[in-house]
Parts: sequence; structure tokens; C-alpha cells
Amino acid sequence: AQSVTQLGSHVSVSEGALVLLRCNYSSSVPPYLFWYVQYPNQGLQLLLKYTTGATLVKGINGFEAEFKKSETSFHLTKPSAHMSDAAEYFCAVSENPPGFGNEKLTFGTGTRLTIIP
Amino acid sequence: NAGVTQTPKFQVLKTGQSMTLQCAQDMNHEYMSWYRQDPGMGLRLIHYSVGAGITDQGEVPNGYNVSRSTTEDFPLRLLSAAPSQTSVYFCASTQSANRGLYGYTFGSGTRLTVV
Repeated sequence: AQSVTQLGSHVSVSEGALVLLRCNYSSSVPPYLFWYVQYPNQGLQLLLKYTTGATLVKGINGFEAEFKKSETSFHLTKPSAHMSDAAEYFCAVSENPPGFGNEKLTFGTGTRLTIIP
Repeated sequence: NAGVTQTPKFQVLKTGQSMTLQCAQDMNHEYMSWYRQDPGMGLRLIHYSVGAGITDQGEVPNGYNVSRSTTEDFPLRLLSAAPSQTSVYFCASTQSANRGLYGYTFGSGTRLTVV
């Protein structure tokens, strides 16, 4: 069965500093990997995704993530944190390839990012 | 605006009461699902549907029923509310073909408290 582990339920960084949110996955087949962001009292928004091809994926708001198969990781980074980045971030994995009809998205437990002025 | 609409946004129920959480999407998505979000546990799949007339159980289906009579609507029914069902509920949808490529569109959530 697929699973996702997010290291660190809370991460604090100073404004302008590097953001690094960690995600490791377990999957028996090549995974689809996602990062979602949730701002207070809102639903989840897709930040970026890896399906196939280039292992470095760029998303919205300056975020990017790198798929490392050997490390089963998909860490999220941003070179310079902004106050508006304060939110909760969820890593997710989908195991089944397209066409099988019931891909399920498995989420990590989330990482709350706080930006220090 | 296109998207996933959930109603109500907030609800307080007494133990034993029943209610239906509504979810509607206008993007012609075939796949729809319900998640619950609890602190420290992320999002857990309750039920999902791959098209009208087809539903299946997710990770935590007990105490919940769903139906899918149309492509647009996917209501979630709590049969007899329990305090353990206090949570934030999210509906999500995506295109059926190559759905992993598109990601999911989430509603803004329903915050349910059972007392």
C-alpha cells in the first residue's frame, strides 16, 4: 500500500530564508506525487505535481520539488520565504497509473509553515 | 465560477442526529471523493465515486453513506452523528482520464461539530 511521511509537523523560517519541507513516500509502483497548500479556513490547492519526465518540478509561487527515486523523496523547496507562504502543506501520492479507474490520493499528515518577520 | 461547492460551511449536530453534506461541481469531472481532515492525521478518504451510479469505500467509511445519481452531485450522509465525526470535511473532484496528471480540485470544506 502507498504511504506518505512528512517530517516535521511544524516548520518555522525567517522571511527571506530557504524553505525546505520534507516528504518521503512508499509505493510499489512508480508514483504520482503532489504537493498541496492549505491557507487558513480554505480548501487545498495544488502547488505542483510529478508524474513522469523531468524530476525537478516547478510549481506556483516560486516553489519547486525534486523527485528522487533512490531516496523515495519529494521534498518541497523555495529559495526565499515570503510572509504569504505561511500555510499548511500536504504531500500526497497516487499509486495507480492512469486508466485503472480508481486512483486514490494518499496524504501525509501535513506540515504547518510559519514565517518569522 | 467553476469549481467545487460545499454546503453548509459550518454545522453543529447533536449526537444521534442525521444530516447530509452537499457537494457539487460544474467541471464535468467524473471522479469525486470525500475526505475528512483531523489534526495530526492529514486527510483520510471516506468514500469516492468514479462516475454516476458508482461509489466505493475509502479508508474510513463507517458511519457515512454516499450516492451519485448525477455527475455533478456527490452528497455525504451521516446516518447517526457521533462525537468522533467532529471534523472538517472536504469534497474533491478530478477528471477521470489520466486523473493523476491533473490533480484534484477541492471544495472549501464543511466544519462539523457533534456534541
